[in-house]
Amino acid sequence: EVQLVQSGAEVKKPGESLKISCKGSGYSFTSYWIGWVRQMPGKGLEWMGIIYPGDSDTRYSPSFQGQVTISADKSISTAYLQWSSLKASDTAMYYCARRIAVAGEVDWFDPWGQGTLVTVSS
Amino acid sequence: SSELTQDPAVSVALGQTVRITCQGDSLRSYYASWYQQKPGQAPVLVIYGKNNRPSGIPDRFSGSSSGNTASLTITGAQAEDEADYYCNSRDSSGNHLGVFGGGTKLTVL
Repeated sequence: EVQLVQSGAEVKKPGESLKISCKGSGYSFTSYWIGWVRQMPGKGLEWMGIIYPGDSDTRYSPSFQGQVTISADKSISTAYLQWSSLKASDTAMYYCARRIAVAGEVDWFDPWGQGTLVTVSS
Repeated sequence: SSELTQDPAVSVALGQTVRITCQGDSLRSYYASWYQQKPGQAPVLVIYGKNNRPSGIPDRFSGSSSGNTASLTITGAQAEDEADYYCNSRDSSGNHLGVFGGGTKLTVL
């Protein structure tokens, strides 16, 4: 079974750093992109960025470029999303998902992790 | 602002057919994928590409595309289909980046 398991909920203070994880299993981790998606409380899904664990090629949405860092450790089939200095506005649920692409035609996210709730509050 | 536009809310009577639409320039070049999200749960893929359903998704869900509009159709809506639905496709940069629509809240009456 293809599965993505994310790290647990976090409560942090503004200015603190954080790294959350997403561990893949049941498939070749290095052969598919992993994406990160933000969902702020009561809001919609936002496409943050993707990483190809095979070569660490990383792409960021302009809205998130410079705000977060996406990385991966292929030796342990795990992708990461990290912040160097959290803000209250980073409070959200964060999902990782495996991205499958058909070149020039379509790509999709399946499966999704269970989500990691990040709360930033003083 | 989102490059994919969805109606915020749609309602359908139990057992009837409903179409949820997604508009955007990138849809002229790329197909959309569609996700169902119920309260407190992670999104689930329901349609991808021209009209493909993952294993386990009922065949009452179908997809189509024309011009700059992608559509998700539920034929014979059930109470359990009440959820938020999001479309996803490439953005207009042509650089592997993607974007989600703003989401449509489907109410089954």
